[in-house]
Amino acid sequence: DSGVTQTPKHLITATGQRVTLRCSPRSGDLSVYWYQQSLDQGLQFLIHYYNGEERAKGNILERFSAQQFPDLHSELNLSSLELGDSALYFCASSLLSGVTYNEQFFGPGTRLTVL
Amino acid sequence: AQSVSQHNHHVILSEAASLELGCNYSYGGTVNLFWYVQYPGQHLQLLLKYFSGDPLVKGIKGFEAEFIKSKFSFNLRKPSVQWSDTAEYFCAVYNAGNMLTFGGGTRLMVKP
Repeated sequence: DSGVTQTPKHLITATGQRVTLRCSPRSGDLSVYWYQQSLDQGLQFLIHYYNGEERAKGNILERFSAQQFPDLHSELNLSSLELGDSALYFCASSLLSGVTYNEQFFGPGTRLTVL
Repeated sequence: AQSVSQHNHHVILSEAASLELGCNYSYGGTVNLFWYVQYPGQHLQLLLKYFSGDPLVKGIKGFEAEFIKSKFSFNLRKPSVQWSDTAEYFCAVYNAGNMLTFGGGTRLMVKP
């Protein structure tokens, strides 16, 4: 158990819908990262938040957005869902953010299936 | 942009066989390199990491990796695999901004 929790574990929805994935970081960690793991794209970085502020963006679609709340939990919002959005969405957390490496601890993931 | 290539997508071995998984990265500057493992149904876990110093890095569960700068490689090795090593293995490189770039992953199946 990494200490990072994600809900829900599984989510099945239809095309065109909107869903929200939730992540709670390890106690004391200020940074949250979102990754998408799909069969065709592999494991890709989406976005990074540090203490409530967006720090970096990766291959995140405009239909996707995220935020980090004052209690440091984060939500990833996926809208106008398409079949290709079906994937495993991981959240990771680390203590700090910056140029030097901070070990990232990964949650169990949310498996999203779009029908 | 950085990229990471893992050449073997699927590897099947018998128990006690030796393992080597290839990883190449494309980045000319200072690199921080990692191997992560994802056991079936579980989250990603850090196996080992290389920042600097001795290019031969030892990790958990008997795994090691060798950083060869001239070849832009960071191959993972284990002298004798066990059935419990069945998992997916990811090589990753870290860049400024605390962003990990992952390779495509290698699924290892160890037959008992």
